[in-house]
Amino acid sequence: AQTVTQSQPEMSVQEAETVTLSCTYDTSESDYYLFWYKQPPSRQMILVIRQEAYKQQNATENRFSVNFQKAAKSFSLKISDSQLGDAAMYFCAYRSAGSYGKLTFGQGTILTVHP
Amino acid sequence: AAGVIQSPRHLIKEKRETATLKCYPIPRHDTVYWYQQGPGQDPQFLISFYEKMQSDKGSIPDRFSAQQFSDYHSELNMSSLELGDSALYFCASSQRDRPTYGYTFGSGTRLTVV
Repeated sequence: AQTVTQSQPEMSVQEAETVTLSCTYDTSESDYYLFWYKQPPSRQMILVIRQEAYKQQNATENRFSVNFQKAAKSFSLKISDSQLGDAAMYFCAYRSAGSYGKLTFGQGTILTVHP
Repeated sequence: AAGVIQSPRHLIKEKRETATLKCYPIPRHDTVYWYQQGPGQDPQFLISFYEKMQSDKGSIPDRFSAQQFSDYHSELNMSSLELGDSALYFCASSQRDRPTYGYTFGSGTRLTVV
């Protein structure tokens, strides 16, 4: 079974600064997908960014980018130019490429943004 | 764009009662997933359906059952409710042939058992 670990229960950043959230995972599969989801106080789950394991290029979405290290099974999220609206719980998630692909989530990291 | 619709948004039930949660996936999405998120916890997979058939099962109690109907909406039925069932229940949908797109989650149903 796959496991996802987020070792940072809480992180904080100053507005306009950069912060990196860590995620590691354990799997024996070679083909899979990785995601970062944001959950603000409203509790809505919002997809931030996704990465296909077969792609070496790191995904980027505006101020959000990932550092995907397949051999190390690491998938960190970098948020540049942090904004107050980025404050939320962030979940790293794994999805197998095969079958019907349930998501396995990490424990989450609470991100606080200071003005 | 249409989103995943869940109803009700909030539900309060007493112990030993029954609850039914509904989920309406995005049109053309063929897979529906149910997750349970306890306070301060990560979402836990309960069950999924592909083309109206159960496709995978996670840590779903025997007191819970679910199904997907011909119009693709899904219902999660929870019986003999316990205090520990209090949680946020998410439904999500996706297209099986587009796994890289991830899921689209509904806003969740907050169930409180008293």
